[in-house]
Amino acid sequence: DTGVSQDPRHKITKRGQNVTFRCDPISEHNRLYWYRQTLGQGPEFLTYFQNEAQLEKSRLLSDRFSAERPKGSFSTLEIQRTEQGDSAMYLCASSLARVSGPEQFFGPGTRLTVL
Amino acid sequence: AQSVTQPDIHITVSEGASLELRCNYSYGATPYLFWYVQSPGQGLQLLLKYFSGDTLVQGIKGFEAEFKRSQSSFNLRKPSVHWSDAAEYFCALPLSGGTSYGKLTFGQGTILTVHP
Repeated sequence: DTGVSQDPRHKITKRGQNVTFRCDPISEHNRLYWYRQTLGQGPEFLTYFQNEAQLEKSRLLSDRFSAERPKGSFSTLEIQRTEQGDSAMYLCASSLARVSGPEQFFGPGTRLTVL
Repeated sequence: AQSVTQPDIHITVSEGASLELRCNYSYGATPYLFWYVQSPGQGLQLLLKYFSGDTLVQGIKGFEAEFKRSQSSFNLRKPSVHWSDAAEYFCALPLSGGTSYGKLTFGQGTILTVHP
C-alpha cells in the first residue's frame, strides 16, 4: 500500500517562470486537497476535488494558480508567473468520503523556492 | 466562524517528562478533531482523531487526547516524551456543510523541543 506521493519534492525557480507540481493520492480515495504552508504557519487550504470535479477554490488561489484532476486520479497544481511570495511548501492530501469529516492523509510536500 | 487555536507556539520538555499540548476550537456543533505531527521538511502524519464516542482517544506513538466539550478543548498528551517526539504538532478541524465539506482548518502549530 502506497501513501500519497508528490513530485517534485523540491523546486527552485526564478521569478516569472511557470511551475507544475503533481500529486498521486491513495488509490481508492475520491477526495484530493491542496494546501499551502509557509514557515511557522499551519497549512492553509487552497482547493479540493471530489473525483474529477473541483468543488472549491480558496481566495488564496489567485488566477495564476490552476489545479486539475483529470480522470479523478492524480492532480496537478500549476503556478504561472511565479512570485517570491509563492515560496512555500505545497501539500497534497487525500481522503475517502464515506462519513462526515474523514481524516486526510498527507503527502511529503513540494518545497517551492522562488528566487 | 469555525477555528482552531493552539495557544503555545513553542514548548520545551526534558526527555522522560510528561507533555500536554493545548488545542481550543470554535464550532457550532460536536466537531471532528485531529492531531497531526510534522517533522522538519516533511508532510503531516495523523496522530489521532476524534469523531464521537469516548472522549479520551488513543493514537500512535503513545499519544492520547481528551475531548472536553465544556472547555472547547482537545489537548494532546503523552506520559513520557522521547527525543524522537521533537517536531511540530498541529490540531485540525474539518469544516462541514456546503461545498467546503471536509477541508481542514489548522491551528498555528506548537513546536516541541526535547532536551536530553
